[in-house]
Amino acid sequence: RKEVEQDPGPFNVPEGATVAFNCTYSNSASQSFFWYRQDCRKEPKLLMSVYSSGNEDGRFTAQLNRASQYISLLIRDSKLSDSATYLCVALNQAGTALIFGKGTTLSVSS
Amino acid sequence: DTGVSQDPRHKITKRGQNVTFRCDPISEHNRLYWYRQTLGQGPEFLTYFQNEAQLEKSRLLSDRFSAERPKGSFSTLEIQRTEQGDSAMYLCASTNRDTSSGNTIYFGEGSWLTVV
Repeated sequence: RKEVEQDPGPFNVPEGATVAFNCTYSNSASQSFFWYRQDCRKEPKLLMSVYSSGNEDGRFTAQLNRASQYISLLIRDSKLSDSATYLCVALNQAGTALIFGKGTTLSVSS
Repeated sequence: DTGVSQDPRHKITKRGQNVTFRCDPISEHNRLYWYRQTLGQGPEFLTYFQNEAQLEKSRLLSDRFSAERPKGSFSTLEIQRTEQGDSAMYLCASTNRDTSSGNTIYFGEGSWLTVV
């Protein structure tokens, strides 16, 4: 089983839609979690960290459920510019490296 | 440009040849990472350096792969006897802080390898 697993996608939504991505992680010792965004043929860039209390950044809301080892990302009022691959990321047990999921592709159309 | 720099950005090589990629991290970043990313997959961790010491290696890093960071600054990733399965984007990242803060990790733009 992969350490970080994500929805297979792709997600194709119209502008203005709300879309949710889910992710599970296998290592209960992982302490830190993140969502990264990756545009086609570009490097990954941090979108937001994920906290147990939930955190929001504009149209983006991330949530962590440690009991279920589950992470989510909610995007409200989707924009064309949100089209990208969203990577769920966990810090490895040793705290030395980020472990990425396969990514979920989002395509927002007008 | 003071970001993470990778060279070359693109490399096409014949199967069986050796290739070397170079990464120049952000100045004074003591931690450096190499990742590999194939189409449709997320980045996969290869190896981690703290200063010049290679502290962690993934089992993905077969004996054909070797990474060095001789002076604790730039790093090289060499692939010997390349195979078609080595075709991927090789990403370098650096940070000078605890990895638990993901926003302090900076990725380079990647080096694309195509083995024909």
